[in-house]
Amino acid sequence: GDSVTQMEGPVTLSEEAFLTINCTYTATGYPSLFWYVQYPGEGLQLLLKATKADDKGSNKGFEATYRKETTSFHLEKGSVQVSDSAVYFCALKGGSYIPTFGRGTSLIVHP
Amino acid sequence: EAGVAQSPRYKIIEKRQSVAFWCNPISGHATLYWYQQILGQGPKLLIQFQNNGVVDDSQLPKDRFSAERLKGVDSTLKIQPAKLEDSAVYLCASSLEGSGANVLTFGAGSRLTVL
Repeated sequence: GDSVTQMEGPVTLSEEAFLTINCTYTATGYPSLFWYVQYPGEGLQLLLKATKADDKGSNKGFEATYRKETTSFHLEKGSVQVSDSAVYFCALKGGSYIPTFGRGTSLIVHP
Repeated sequence: EAGVAQSPRYKIIEKRQSVAFWCNPISGHATLYWYQQILGQGPKLLIQFQNNGVVDDSQLPKDRFSAERLKGVDSTLKIQPAKLEDSAVYLCASSLEGSGANVLTFGAGSRLTVL
């Protein structure tokens, strides 16, 4: 079945540091890929998405590129802020149309 | 637009008791999802509805969990009897439809503690 693997957290960074959170997936066909973010005390919300190979999703300074050859969708940001502290979830929607989530990666940004 | 509403936000019960969670999706969203999120893990799909029909409930522990979506709008998730391992946040989400790249909109979740 479909699955998503994310890097273990927490990731701890200083403000303005570069962020990478790795995500790889297993799916049949050509899934759509997503990053969701969960701020403390809130529900998950969409951060960005990509629907086909080589697409780049971007939002709020975050970017991720759909790499079919490496089955990856790594999340990056050039300069993180304290307000980016949250849990980030990689997810996919494959041919079964059942959304599958990774276990989440906690990001802690220090001033 | 109004978001996905869930209640109650918090519930504490003893094991073997029952509990019910309610979800009101975004108006017009045909697809509704219930996820279980155990601390430190990603959301696990329990059941997916398309209107008031079940699309997938393969991971729903049917001996103790039940869910319904009457009239294709609101939904309830019930646990009876509860076990310690049911302690989790129960997330409801909705989307326009289940296919394609439609984005899920989540509620704030219902946190269950089973003592």
